[in-house]
Amino acid sequence: DAKTTQPPSMDCAEGRAANLPCNHSTISGNEYVYWYRQIHSQGPQYIIHGLKNNETNEMASLIITEDRKSSTLILPHATLRDTAVYYCIAQPAGGGADGLTFGKGTHLIIQP
Amino acid sequence: DTAVSQTPKYLVTQMGNDKSIKCEQNLGHDTMYWYKQDSKKFLKIMFSYNNKELIINETVPNRFSPKSPDKAHLNLHINSLELGDSAVYFCASSQGQGGYYGYTFGSGTRLTVV
Repeated sequence: DAKTTQPPSMDCAEGRAANLPCNHSTISGNEYVYWYRQIHSQGPQYIIHGLKNNETNEMASLIITEDRKSSTLILPHATLRDTAVYYCIAQPAGGGADGLTFGKGTHLIIQP
Repeated sequence: DTAVSQTPKYLVTQMGNDKSIKCEQNLGHDTMYWYKQDSKKFLKIMFSYNNKELIINETVPNRFSPKSPDKAHLNLHINSLELGDSAVYFCASSQGQGGYYGYTFGSGTRLTVV
């Protein structure tokens, strides 16, 4: 799986959009970008994934650059409950029987 | 509620004991996993099971053994517990081996070996 790089921590004001960047410059053509988050003392939670098109669901939006070397997860209206560690993972879909490879992630702190 | 549930939530035991952690999913997923999160918060995969077959086995000690009585359950047995086994263990499941639609994790079992 391609290595991903994320800032170790970020702050965001409650009610504002939180934009979490991720670099994956060595991503290969068959690898998707997945985002998970882990709220303190809970298991990781799937957020969203994409290949090359931008994606949106009820939780977040995912913007992937045209060259696929980086992406941004957007939480449109952050709340205090969005404080968590966010993981960006690049892995093949459908063939990654090795499970997820988690890095250090970004600790997002939502400020009241 | 549809979910991945694991028991117990907390487990404190002495060195040398044998213990088990249970995991059940009612999502109809066909692959289940065990992950370990150490004190530095790194999450690492330990095992996965697909159709009752062990399909990956990371370099974990053979004191750890996963057992799957059926597709909905993947239990983790640990023999001769050591201090270094203290960690949070997460069970997860996915539809298909690759987890294309995402993995669903349980809430974790915090194991403390004293």
